[in-house]
This record gives sequence, C-alpha cells and structure tokens, in this order.
Amino acid sequence: GDSVTQMEGPVTLSEEAFLTINCTYTATGYPSLFWYVQYPGEGLQLLLKATKADDKGSNKGFEATYRKETTSFHLEKGSVQVSDSAVYFCALSAWYFGNEKLTFGTGTRLTIIP
Amino acid sequence: NAGVTQTPKFQVLKTGQSMTLQCAQDMNHEYMSWYRQDPGMGLRLIHYSVGAGITDQGEVPNGYNVSRSTTEDFPLRLLSAAPSQTSVYFCASGQDPAGGGTQYFGPGTRLLVL
Repeated sequence: GDSVTQMEGPVTLSEEAFLTINCTYTATGYPSLFWYVQYPGEGLQLLLKATKADDKGSNKGFEATYRKETTSFHLEKGSVQVSDSAVYFCALSAWYFGNEKLTFGTGTRLTIIP
Repeated sequence: NAGVTQTPKFQVLKTGQSMTLQCAQDMNHEYMSWYRQDPGMGLRLIHYSVGAGITDQGEVPNGYNVSRSTTEDFPLRLLSAAPSQTSVYFCASGQDPAGGGTQYFGPGTRLLVL
C-alpha cells in the first residue's frame, strides 16, 4: 500500500540555519504530495503541495520538489526562524480507483533556538 | 467563515462509555475525514466520506462509527470506549486529496479513556 517515510526527529537548529527534512514515498498510481505543519496546540495546516513530477511547491520560504525518479519530496528552507518551530508532516494521496485517502508520515518535530 | 469546528475540546471517559465527537464545516466541502494522532505514529485515518450518505473505512476503523447525513456534519461515535482509544482526534474537510485537494483541519479533541 501507499506509505510515507520521514526523517526521524526531533530536529534542533539555530536561527538562520538551513533546513532539510527528508521525505520519501511509495505509492500506487500517480500521487499528489503535501507538506502539512502543526503548530503547538493547533490542528494541521497545509504548508505546500505538488501534484505532478518536477513540480515545486513553495510557501513562507519553504520549498519542496516532487522527484519521481527518487520518489522524494524533501522540505527545505534557507534560513529558519524561531516561529518555524512546529511538527512537519509529509503526506501523499495517490490517484487510483477507489482511493480517496491521504496517507501521512510520522511527523518531524522541529525546534529553532534563538 | 468558521472553517472546521470540533467539539468538545477535551473529554474524559470511563472504559465502556460511549460518546460522539462532533465535527462541522461551513466550506461546502464534499470530502471529510477523521484521524487520530498518537505519539510516534503520525496521523492515522479512521473513517472518511466523499459526500452526504457515503462513508468508508480508513486504516484504523475498529471501535468507531460514522455517518454523514448532511454536507456540513460528520460525527464520530465511540461505541464502547477503551483505553487504547486515548488519543487526539482531528476532523478535516476539503477537496478530494487524490486530486491535490487541500485538507482543512479542526483544532482537535483530546480524549482520555480511563
């Protein structure tokens, strides 16, 4: 079945550091890929997404490129801020008959130190 | 525009009790879903619905029932609560995720089963 494997956390970085959170996937069909973020005490919200190979999703300085050849969708940000501290979830939904599900990775907790 | 609302925010149950977690959305989304979030396991899909009158099971449906009589509401019922159902529950609504649809999450219900 469909699955998402995320970089184990927690990840702790200093402010202005470069961030990469790895995400790889296994899917039947042609998946859409997502990054969701969960701030403390809140529900998840969409950070960015890509719906076909080689698409780049971007938002709030974060970027991720849909790489079909490596089945990856790594999240990057050039200079993190304290306000980026949150849990990040990679997710996919594959387009095939009878599937309307969103499959999540286990999440990566990110803490940014001033 | 309230988005996705969930009630209650927090609930304590005794083993064997039943309860209903409420979820409502005002965005006219056909697709709605319920997840549970447990430490180290990410979000796991319990049940989902692609429209009024249509529901289907997710990854962990046992012990939970759902119904979808209106587009707006998607309640989750625990028939006989067990300690293993202690978790944080999130409801979401959106467009079909397989088509790249964004999901909008509620703030969550924290459930403790003693």
